[in-house]
Amino acid sequence: RKEVEQDPGPFNVPEGATVAFNCTYSNSASQSFFWYRQDCRKEPKLLMSVYSSGNEDGRFTAQLNRASQYISLLIRDSKLSDSATYLCVVSFDRGSTLGRLYFGRGTQLTVWP
Amino acid sequence: NAGVTQTPKFQVLKTGQSMTLQCAQDMNHNSMYWYRQDPGMGLRLIYYSASEGTTDKGEVPNGYNVSRLNKREFSLRLESAAPSQTSVYFCASSGRTAVNQPQHFGDGTRLSIL
Repeated sequence: RKEVEQDPGPFNVPEGATVAFNCTYSNSASQSFFWYRQDCRKEPKLLMSVYSSGNEDGRFTAQLNRASQYISLLIRDSKLSDSATYLCVVSFDRGSTLGRLYFGRGTQLTVWP
Repeated sequence: NAGVTQTPKFQVLKTGQSMTLQCAQDMNHNSMYWYRQDPGMGLRLIYYSASEGTTDKGEVPNGYNVSRLNKREFSLRLESAAPSQTSVYFCASSGRTAVNQPQHFGDGTRLSIL
């Protein structure tokens, strides 16, 4: 079983729509959580960290549910420029692998006009 | 701000050839990483270096070697390239070896092996 599982999509939504992605992780000792964004043929870039209390950055809201071991990302008022692949990422301390990140395979989003 | 710089950006090799992918960061980060990304597979860690002078294997180290030349530079070497190593390779760095540190990526090396 992979450390991080995501629905690969694709999600195709019109501009202005609200879309949500979920992600589950297998290791209950996971300590840090992130969403990265990756544009086609580009490098992954940090979108936001995910905190236990949930956090918001403009149109983006991230939630963490430790009991159920899932993370979510909500995008409101979708823009064409939101079209990308969204990567769910977790990190946990496994002795010598401190600081190592585990990436989901990504969820593809296309926003159409 | 350069961030993480990878060279080359593109490379085509023949089976059996060797080459070294270079990575340098100017953010004074302690930790550096090499990933490969294949369609449908997501990012997979090849090797990482928690600090200068140390390296460790990731998920898919076979066929690769690394060198942490100094704090800034972390190179990845393919000694005898195989078609299965055709991929996009990303180098990344992070501030310290701590679980809450995100990673910053270079813009990738697209490698094709014929």
